[in-house]
Amino acid sequence: EVQLVESGGGLVQPGGSLRLSCEVSGFIFSNYWMHWVRQAPGKGLLWVSRINSDGSSTTYADSVKGRFTISRDNAKNTLYLQMNSLRAEDTAVYYCARDLGTSSWYFDYWGQGTLVTVSS
Amino acid sequence: SSELTQDPAVSVALGQTVRITCQGDSLRNYYASWYQQKPGQAPVLVIYAKNDRPSGIPDRFSGSSSGNTASLTITGAQAEDEADYYCSSRDSSDNRGIFGGGTKLTVL
Repeated sequence: EVQLVESGGGLVQPGGSLRLSCEVSGFIFSNYWMHWVRQAPGKGLLWVSRINSDGSSTTYADSVKGRFTISRDNAKNTLYLQMNSLRAEDTAVYYCARDLGTSSWYFDYWGQGTLVTVSS
Repeated sequence: SSELTQDPAVSVALGQTVRITCQGDSLRNYYASWYQQKPGQAPVLVIYAKNDRPSGIPDRFSGSSSGNTASLTITGAQAEDEADYYCSSRDSSDNRGIFGGGTKLTVL
């Protein structure tokens, strides 16, 4: 059974940092692209970042570029999102999602999400 | 970067057919995918590529595309189909993802 479990969310002050993790199981992690998607309270989905299978290529939404870093450890079956210089507008539930294939941009499995709250 | 536009809300009578649309320039080059999200839950992929359904998704869900518009059709809507629906695509100008603003479907 495919599972994605996020962790690392919480309350952080503006300007602070947080690292999210997404531990996966039930599939060969190193074969798949992975994405982060977020959802602000009461709002829609927003694509945040993606990483290719071996971690050599990444892209980001303009709103987080230069502040967030996506990475992965294929030996640990874990995806990460390092978030720096956090702002109030980064407050959201953050989901990790598996790309159905290699760069399909279809998200076939999602974690349950982890809430990040940026507030003083 | 590109945008995807969806109607904010749509309603359908129980058992009737409803179409949810998504418009955007990227859809001229890439197929959309569609996600169902119920309150407090993670999104679920319901349609992807030309008209593919993941295992476990009922066949009353179907997708189509023409020009810059993608559509999700639910034929014989059920009460459990009441949810928010989001379309998504790859941005046609760069290697990024985009989502539509979402459509809240009410089953009457």
